[in-house]
Amino acid sequence: GAVVSQHPSRVICKSGTSVKIECRSLDFQATTMFWYRQFPKQSLMLMATSNEGSKATYEQGVEKDKFLINHASLTLSTLTVTSAHPEDSSFYICSASLVAGSLEAFFGQGTRLTVV
Amino acid sequence: AQKITQTQPGMFVQEKEAVTLDCTYDTSDPSYGLFWYKQPSSGEMIFLIYQGSYDQQNATEGRYSLNFQKARKSANLVISASQLGDSAMYFCAMREDSSYKLIFGSGTRLLVRP
Repeated sequence: GAVVSQHPSRVICKSGTSVKIECRSLDFQATTMFWYRQFPKQSLMLMATSNEGSKATYEQGVEKDKFLINHASLTLSTLTVTSAHPEDSSFYICSASLVAGSLEAFFGQGTRLTVV
Repeated sequence: AQKITQTQPGMFVQEKEAVTLDCTYDTSDPSYGLFWYKQPSSGEMIFLIYQGSYDQQNATEGRYSLNFQKARKSANLVISASQLGDSAMYFCAMREDSSYKLIFGSGTRLLVRP
């Protein structure tokens, strides 16, 4: 199956700093990528849909100025958590589809962010 | 709006027995897909099985089968011959073909007892 690589897998940052998480499709071109957030022992909550070459579409309640998403190429989407605070600590995971509406979404390994 | 419900926060099963994980959904879109994912403690999401809304037969993938009852809007996952390595979180998810967004249920934690 297709491979999606997410980096870093773990990051600890100080409160007030920004953190960038990368999501790469290694062997296919992903027109659409999705970013999810998962709190401990909870489900994956969709944050935004990232489309190559256009602005991301954010879900209701997600601050777009807080979570900056860039999808500059067909193989790379980035999520930047700006001015991070302890409440932003969470597990962030991306997924990518071969084409819009593809049968299967391929997931990255996830990034565990801890803000201290 | 689409909605996925998993009513079992936790389940136990004896090794080598079968177990059914429940999932119900709600959508007004006639075309949609239903997915099951396994999430071990490492956090990765492992795709298990897919069922399309127009598929006539229930999907099967090895020890996994999906009991699709369209009229009841349920898509239960059946794991046969449980193994210790099946212990993990299991998420049911749905994607409406009109939106491409994959929405997840709250998950069921499965523990397989030796």
